[in-house]
Amino acid sequence: NAGVMQNPRHLVRRRGQEARLRCSPMKGHSHVYWYRQLPEEGLKFMVYLQKENIIDESGMPKERFSAEFPKEGPSILRIQQVVRGDSAAYFCASSPPGVSTEAFFGQGTRLTVV
Amino acid sequence: GDSVTQMEGPVTLSEEAFLTINCTYTATGYPSLFWYVQYPGEGLQLLLKATKADDKGSNKGFEATYRKETTSFHLEKGSVQVSDSAVYFCALREGQGAQKLVFGQGTRLTINP
Repeated sequence: NAGVMQNPRHLVRRRGQEARLRCSPMKGHSHVYWYRQLPEEGLKFMVYLQKENIIDESGMPKERFSAEFPKEGPSILRIQQVVRGDSAAYFCASSPPGVSTEAFFGQGTRLTVV
Repeated sequence: GDSVTQMEGPVTLSEEAFLTINCTYTATGYPSLFWYVQYPGEGLQLLLKATKADDKGSNKGFEATYRKETTSFHLEKGSVQVSDSAVYFCALREGQGAQKLVFGQGTRLTINP
């Protein structure tokens, strides 16, 4: 059973471009979470999704950021018109259905905006 | 809102030294508590957890006890190894039904041979 797969591992974008980060959860996991880690800081929750539904987006910036988890395919975190302050590591985690289940993390995508 | 405060780093120790990394939390309900470890260039791995007061989580020689009276979950290891060098994150998950994790800022640990 492969772990949580994120791609790309590293992404460089110029200011104003769009960034698309992908996350394939572990097999059997229907819950996906996105976290952002700024340099030398802890992870901050961004959004929690189940298949085709956004459950909690309380940590998402109000503009330029969006996330989806379609019925088929990976979850996508999309950042439009990137700025230097978006440079960070973005981690995806997944968990199986049910409460109080453990979340497993991917290796992250390191976004650099130049 | 809920929050987690960790001991400031970086922490540098010699091999076989005793390790303590302090973690305290603020929560309105009855959270579950976790320690995650992040090795260089990798994602987070769950190290140990505790779901209720006085529970002790343990793994790979690391231990942490859920102390409700002091709202703490300090990480300890009796004899560290060079391979323990990593960043350690304390985290909480709010009560039953909640899913998101709230992380501390992380503590970078370096073990010298």
